[in-house]
Amino acid sequence: QQQVKQSPQSLIVQKGGISIINCAYENTAFDYFPWYQQFPGKGPALLIAIRPDVSEKKEGRFTISFNKSAKQFSLHIMDSQPGDSATYFCAASAKGGSEKLVFGKGTKLTVNP
Amino acid sequence: NAGVTQTPKFQVLKTGQSMTLQCAQDMNHNSMYWYRQDPGMGLRLIYYSASEGTTDKGEVPNGYNVSRLNKREFSLRLESAAPSQTSVYFCASSTQWNQPQHFGDGTRLSIL
Repeated sequence: QQQVKQSPQSLIVQKGGISIINCAYENTAFDYFPWYQQFPGKGPALLIAIRPDVSEKKEGRFTISFNKSAKQFSLHIMDSQPGDSATYFCAASAKGGSEKLVFGKGTKLTVNP
Repeated sequence: NAGVTQTPKFQVLKTGQSMTLQCAQDMNHNSMYWYRQDPGMGLRLIYYSASEGTTDKGEVPNGYNVSRLNKREFSLRLESAAPSQTSVYFCASSTQWNQPQHFGDGTRLSIL
């Protein structure tokens, strides 16, 4: 059972455009929602994370929007750049001893110059 | 800053061979994790260790064993490798569940 559903699988945008990646979850116990960025040949690296007590978090050109009632969260990349081309993973974890992050299947973003 | 170090970076095995993937972190993190990454499947948790001395199964533990040797080191062992275990393996560590996980650069494992 996939606990975090991520879409789209791949995304192509033009330089300067907005990239939007969406994730949905079912487990209402999830309490931490990070996004990871992965470049080819490298391990994932934390990009930005949000907790459910806020609806939006912004760091530079990257924004997480969180909708608790809809059980959805999304990553927005403003003014997308070719250097943003990477695979992005959303994830979620729940307090309560499980200590486990559940990842979405990833979105491959290509930003054309 | 080394962060999370994985060895080896690449390995080719024959079916039935065994091997151990090594992972070490220098950030004094309590929790460590092993994932496998396959195309279109995202990252799937194999085993994790919430603290030194404890290990627990993740989503796909079959065919693997782990050892939390000390706070720094967490190894993953394939006792009898199978072609289905061809994958990229990532080790990660974190202070606790709601803190960032720091990943190594992976071990690319092919089993013929």
